[in-house]
Amino acid sequence: EIVLTQSPGTLSLSPGDRATLSCRASQSVSSSYLAWYQQKPGQAPRLLIYGASSRATGIPDRFSGSGSGTDFTLTISRLEPEDFAVYYCQQYGGSPYSFGQGTKLEIK
Amino acid sequence: QVQLVQSGAEVKKPGASVKVSCKASGYTFTTYAISWVRQAPGQGLEWMGWITPYNGNTDYAQKLQGRVTVTTDTSTSTAYMELRSLRSDDTAVYYCARESYTGYSIIWGQGTLVTVSS
Repeated sequence: EIVLTQSPGTLSLSPGDRATLSCRASQSVSSSYLAWYQQKPGQAPRLLIYGASSRATGIPDRFSGSGSGTDFTLTISRLEPEDFAVYYCQQYGGSPYSFGQGTKLEIK
Repeated sequence: QVQLVQSGAEVKKPGASVKVSCKASGYTFTTYAISWVRQAPGQGLEWMGWITPYNGNTDYAQKLQGRVTVTTDTSTSTAYMELRSLRSDDTAVYYCARESYTGYSIIWGQGTLVTVSS
């Protein structure tokens, strides 16, 4: 089973800042099958990035994903007020699928 | 538009079973797998398993093997998740999600709160 470890647990930034979120896998993620989701309180998760670096439909270009193998990064270039939420990575390259524990992005 | 609509909240006693439904619309139901993910209060996301409606193939998380069953009714475009022998730590919001061809979850249901309490 692939274990995903996200860091930091909480990230405190201001609107306009750049956010860098990390997701490290315990073993290589097959075919870069790594996704990122955003979740706001009381809402279902929303797909942001798939295939490590492809933006989902309707996702602003300030969101970008990178990485391969065991190290992946989600970058938000200029934070907007609506970006403050919890972010999860997920690997779907091998069974069982697994999620990271999440990074909470909060307003400083 | 593509959407998944889940059944309403449930309250169950320990040891009981719960069956949550997820009705799909806006696409051909048999084309894409449906995943189930749960989230305990204040906690992260936990992948539970998936089913391919086309042929009924399933895959489950090891920790839930033997207690969870995911099925589909293609005549009504509905997926079901049944969890048996409920415990207090099964209290969570349960989500269904439509996968892409490769396995990431594109469309999510609104979630169903299942509360297990004596």
